[in-house]
Amino acid sequence: DIQLTQSPSSLSASVGDRVTITCRASQTISNYLNWYQHKPGKAPKLLIYAASSLQSGVPSRFSGGGSGTDFTLTIANLQPDDFATYYCQQTYRAPLVTFGGGTKVEIK
Amino acid sequence: QVQLVESGGGVVQPGGSLRLSCTAFGFTFSDYGMYWVRQAPGQGLEWVAFTRFDGNNNFYANSVKGRFTTSRDNSRNTLYLQMNNVRLEDAAVYHCAKGSPGQLSAFDIWGQGTWVIVSS
Repeated sequence: DIQLTQSPSSLSASVGDRVTITCRASQTISNYLNWYQHKPGKAPKLLIYAASSLQSGVPSRFSGGGSGTDFTLTIANLQPDDFATYYCQQTYRAPLVTFGGGTKVEIK
Repeated sequence: QVQLVESGGGVVQPGGSLRLSCTAFGFTFSDYGMYWVRQAPGQGLEWVAFTRFDGNNNFYANSVKGRFTTSRDNSRNTLYLQMNNVRLEDAAVYHCAKGSPGQLSAFDIWGQGTWVIVSS
């Protein structure tokens, strides 16, 4: 199984901050890495696919980078609507996919 | 409107059975592989099962293999998850999601989920 390790597991930030979340894969996964935003009681939302491609309708303050085993999700100019939990996901072995443990972004 | 709507959740006793449904709207359901993902209280997202666009070649997480069965009825635009021999650790919100082949199989549409509570 491919394991994904996200860090940090939680962070506190203020509106307007720049935030970076990292995701490390236990083996190389090329660019088969996606990022999701999840709020309680809601459907998870695809933000970034193929490591760095912005999903249609997602604000440009979200960006993704990396390849191989190390990946990042950056949120520039954090907005009130961005406080949520973020997950990375590998689809290199689809349909046997795995998710990272999640990063909860809270208001400072 | 493109969406997925889950139903069928509820309270089930340990060892009992439950069938979840996921109905698709606004896209050609029969063209896409579909997934089940769950989130236990206080935990992260966990992939559960996959069914191919035609209902063949299903795959399961080790934690549910032999107990859960996924299937689909393309004429009804509906995905199913039959849960048998349910355990306490199966308690979670269950989401269905659509795979997107053009986006390296990312899950581009998700449902809001349905709760499964396991209690005697």
